[in-house]
Amino acid sequence: DAGITQSPRHKVTETGTPVTLRCHQTENHRYMYWYRQDPGHGLRLIHYSYGVKDTDKGEVSDGYSVSRSKTEDFLLTLESATSSQTSVYFCAISSGISNQPQHFGDGTRLSIL
Amino acid sequence: DAKTTQPPSMDCAEGRAANLPCNHSTISGNEYVYWYRQIHSQGPQYIIHGLKNNETNEMASLIITEDRKSSTLILPHATLRDTAVYYCIGGAQKLVFGQGTRLTINP
Repeated sequence: DAGITQSPRHKVTETGTPVTLRCHQTENHRYMYWYRQDPGHGLRLIHYSYGVKDTDKGEVSDGYSVSRSKTEDFLLTLESATSSQTSVYFCAISSGISNQPQHFGDGTRLSIL
Repeated sequence: DAKTTQPPSMDCAEGRAANLPCNHSTISGNEYVYWYRQIHSQGPQYIIHGLKNNETNEMASLIITEDRKSSTLILPHATLRDTAVYYCIGGAQKLVFGQGTRLTINP
């Protein structure tokens, strides 16, 4: 399995609080991604990074920010969590070389009450 | 990124070959076809990908039509552990996941 660790694996918090999810990789891959998965929607891309300090928005980026200060870490922040952000969040990585596939972490289950 | 169409569900008997179809008529010439699967609430697992030639690895085979408008994922000897949602995706760096096919392997 690809060396991807997501933390925390589960979190319950209240509306209005800040939340940061961490994705850590040991593969030295250039690209990192954050997706969310909700019933009836499949996986949707939130933000992605194509290098240290280089990030871009995905399909559902409103309400989320990201940071990548090191190759191995990609942080997803909910500045003020809302109940609509209750979801399962997946991190993925890819080398970006010759259409090599993305590999996914085990996910973070986030509940906003 | 190409839009893909898959049947919502399929059944297959254990030990038989499972053939999962996917239509991707809008795929562009340089976009690969990727297949992933997701078991329960685990992260999607990469299976195989291809551009225009048929591909085979230890998990599955991928057959892509000559016009590249459709493909078939083949699990040669399905087991109960192959029960999952299978996603066919056309694209490159920004993958667009549809609803996939829920494959159920029956004993």
